[in-house]
Parts: sequence; structure tokens; C-alpha cells
Amino acid sequence: KAGVTQTPRYLIKTRGQQVTLSCSPISGHRSVSWYQQTPGQGLQFLFEYFSETQRNKGNFPGRFSGRQFSNSRSEMNVSTLELGDSALYLCASSGTSAETQYFGPGTRLLVL
Amino acid sequence: AQSVTQPDIHITVSEGASLELRCNYSYGATPYLFWYVQSPGQGLQLLLKYFSGDTLVQGIKGFEAEFKRSQSSFNLRKPSVHWSDAAEYFCAWRGNNAGNMLTFGGGTRLMVKP
Repeated sequence: KAGVTQTPRYLIKTRGQQVTLSCSPISGHRSVSWYQQTPGQGLQFLFEYFSETQRNKGNFPGRFSGRQFSNSRSEMNVSTLELGDSALYLCASSGTSAETQYFGPGTRLLVL
Repeated sequence: AQSVTQPDIHITVSEGASLELRCNYSYGATPYLFWYVQSPGQGLQLLLKYFSGDTLVQGIKGFEAEFKRSQSSFNLRKPSVHWSDAAEYFCAWRGNNAGNMLTFGGGTRLMVKP
């Protein structure tokens, strides 16, 4: 089975712009979660989608949003980018609510 | 709020030596616990997980971990470290009703001396 894929792998944006990141889960997986990883804050949960519905949300401002499509692919969007949004954004997928999550390689976002 | 603590930010061991990485969690309910490893510039790879049952769990790459409820700990061990084990290790916690929301520890960076 192919693993979790994330596109793009690297991205450079400037402050004030918006960005959309994409995640394709493992085939058959219906849950997709997003995490932000920074040197200062570590790994922090952003949100989880299951069957196109947001099931959990972390403590991030409303500039961070996401969605999931009927094929389980997910996108996250960050509007009005700030320098502090520079991070590795990781996507993880799992089959049901109580299973192991498998992570993708991440998208590294640099905001200038 | 629940938290996961990895007390050691950096650990250096000699190749062939044994390894123990510490992890403590603060939440009292029966947890789901995980150890992940991250190589530079990569995503997270699952090493092992504890859901219930036997408190000593075996994982990939020769790693094992022991769940100790009385100590709220889930320490990761390996009897003999290889140079390729150099990476960052993350302990993670998930509650019963948390969907797939993982709470991660701060990570431990392992360096291996030849």
C-alpha cells in the first residue's frame, strides 16, 4: 500500500499571503489529522477530519482551516500568513477512530 | 489538560550500549500510548503502541516499551543501539474519547557515538 502523501513538500510564502497544503491518506483510511511542528512549540495538533466532518480541533486561530473530500483527501489552508507559521506541517491518516496514525513526510513551509 | 513529558532533551550513547528513553504522562484515564521516531527532514514513523493488555510491548527495529500505570510512564528501551538509531524520538498519548488527537512529548534527540 502506498503511504500518506503530502504536496507540496516545500513552500516559500510571504507574510499576508495564504497557502493550501494537500494530504492524500493511505487507501481505505477515512481519518486525516494535521499537526504543526516547530522548534519552539514541538508537535501540536491542528485538527482531524473523519468522513468529511471535522471531529477535533486544536488550539489554533481561525486562520487555520481544513476540509476533507469524499475520497478522504484533505487540505488545510492558512490565511494571512505570519512569520510564526513557518513550520513542518504533518498529515496522518488512520482507518477508524481508534487505530494507529501513519504520518506523511510533511510539508515544510517558510514564511518570509 | 493532559500532558506528556520527555525529561531528556538530548541523550548520547555509544554504539552497542543499551538505551532507555523516558516518557511520563499526566492524565489518569487508561491511555493509548505510542512511540514515534523522526529522522532529519522526515515524517514520523511508528515504533510501537500500547492500547491494553500486556504491559511490555515489542516494536520494530528491536525496540520495546513498558507501560507502568503506577508511575504514569511508558519508557522506550533497546538492548543494543546501532548508529542508524540516531534520530529524534517522540512519545505520544491519546485518550479514549479523543478521536485521533495525539498529544506529543517534546522529543528526545538521540546521538550515537561510534
